[in-house]
Amino acid sequence: AQSVTQLDSQVPVFEEAPVELRCNYSSSVSVYLFWYVQYPNQGLQLLLKYLSGSTLVESINGFEAEFNKSQTSFHLRKPSVHISDTAEYFCAVSDRRGFQKLVFGTGTRLLVSP
Amino acid sequence: DTGVSQDPRHKITKRGQNVTFRCDPISEHNRLYWYRQTLGQGPEFLTYFQNEAQLEKSRLLSDRFSAERPKGSFSTLEIQRTEQGDSAMYLCASSFDRVSEQYFGPGTRLTVT
Repeated sequence: AQSVTQLDSQVPVFEEAPVELRCNYSSSVSVYLFWYVQYPNQGLQLLLKYLSGSTLVESINGFEAEFNKSQTSFHLRKPSVHISDTAEYFCAVSDRRGFQKLVFGTGTRLLVSP
Repeated sequence: DTGVSQDPRHKITKRGQNVTFRCDPISEHNRLYWYRQTLGQGPEFLTYFQNEAQLEKSRLLSDRFSAERPKGSFSTLEIQRTEQGDSAMYLCASSFDRVSEQYFGPGTRLTVT
């Protein structure tokens, strides 16, 4: 079984400041890793994913996440946030060998203010 | 719009009533998932279909819950004898294969009064 921990339920930050949203996971098997974003009144959208290869993955809107196997982490970072990045961010994992059931963390609400 | 659609978007029902939700996945996706999301929590897996076969069910899916995917296209999730604890957002997602992205629908918000 897998589990995901997102310790920060809310992260307030000023516009153009850097941000890191933390994600740690627990699993007895190899996993795929994902970050999903949920904007207000919208459905979940995939932000980025780690399947294999380079441990640093990037999204098209400037976010990046690094898979750290020894620390079982997949933290999400952005060097300069915008007001439009205000949303709920969910870290998720799935068993590499299974049918891709996603196990989500409880989410981190990113609040960007001017 | 060729994304995942769900109907209805909102449902208010009285305790003890039955409700049914529908999910239409992206047409070429043979994998379909149902999740439930309560306030302040991340989505939790309920059940999974590959084509028309229901291959996995979570312990969260009590006997009052049933899901179907006839002909491997749309899926329905029925809750019988609803309870207040069933109030949640019910999310549907679909994907093409094991490593491709799961695309989520907008969800059906159920409120049991």
